[in-house]
Amino acid sequence: DIQVTQSPSSLSASVGDRVTITCRASQNIATYLNWYQQKVGEAPRLLIYSSSILQRGVASRFRGSGSGTDFTLTITSLRPEDFATYFCQQSYTSPLLSFGGGTKVEI
Amino acid sequence: QVTLRESSPALVKPTQTLTLTCTFSGFSLNATGMSLSWIRQPPGKALEWVALIDWDDEKSYSTSLKTRLSISKDTSKNQVTLSMTNVDPMDTATYYCARTRGGFLDFWGQGTQVTVSS
Repeated sequence: DIQVTQSPSSLSASVGDRVTITCRASQNIATYLNWYQQKVGEAPRLLIYSSSILQRGVASRFRGSGSGTDFTLTITSLRPEDFATYFCQQSYTSPLLSFGGGTKVEI
Repeated sequence: QVTLRESSPALVKPTQTLTLTCTFSGFSLNATGMSLSWIRQPPGKALEWVALIDWDDEKSYSTSLKTRLSISKDTSKNQVTLSMTNVDPMDTATYYCARTRGGFLDFWGQGTQVTVSS
């Protein structure tokens, strides 16, 4: 199975900060990496798929990059509504999927 | 408008079989390339992908859970059902269903909370 490791597990940031979250796969997964945002008490929401493609309706301050084993989600200027937990998910082994452990972004 | 809604018993006893139903609208699970996944999340923990069913009725299961799972679809009712046998308190979680295309999950239900306890 492909393992997906996120870092950090949590971070503290302020409104307006640039925030970077990293996801590392245990083997080459090309660009089969997706990112989700989950707010407390809510279902996850797809932000980015195929490493860098912004899902329709998602703000352009969310940016994804990377290929192979190393991937990054960047929030270019943090807004109050961005405080949430973020998960990456690999789809290289689709239909078998797997998620990272999550990164909690808090004030 | 794509919507999904999960339903299940809130409380299940250990060793029993848990049956979850996902009722969806706004898309067809008969459409080529369309799939539906189940994902679960124990309280305060990460997401775990559980199972998936394809438009052509191909079924896939988590390696760690596959001996206990069965997924099926009823396209006439726009429903997908997941059964999990021999449940344990470790199966306590919120269970989500999500439309799956190209390996990513683009629409999610609100989730259903399941507690396994005697």
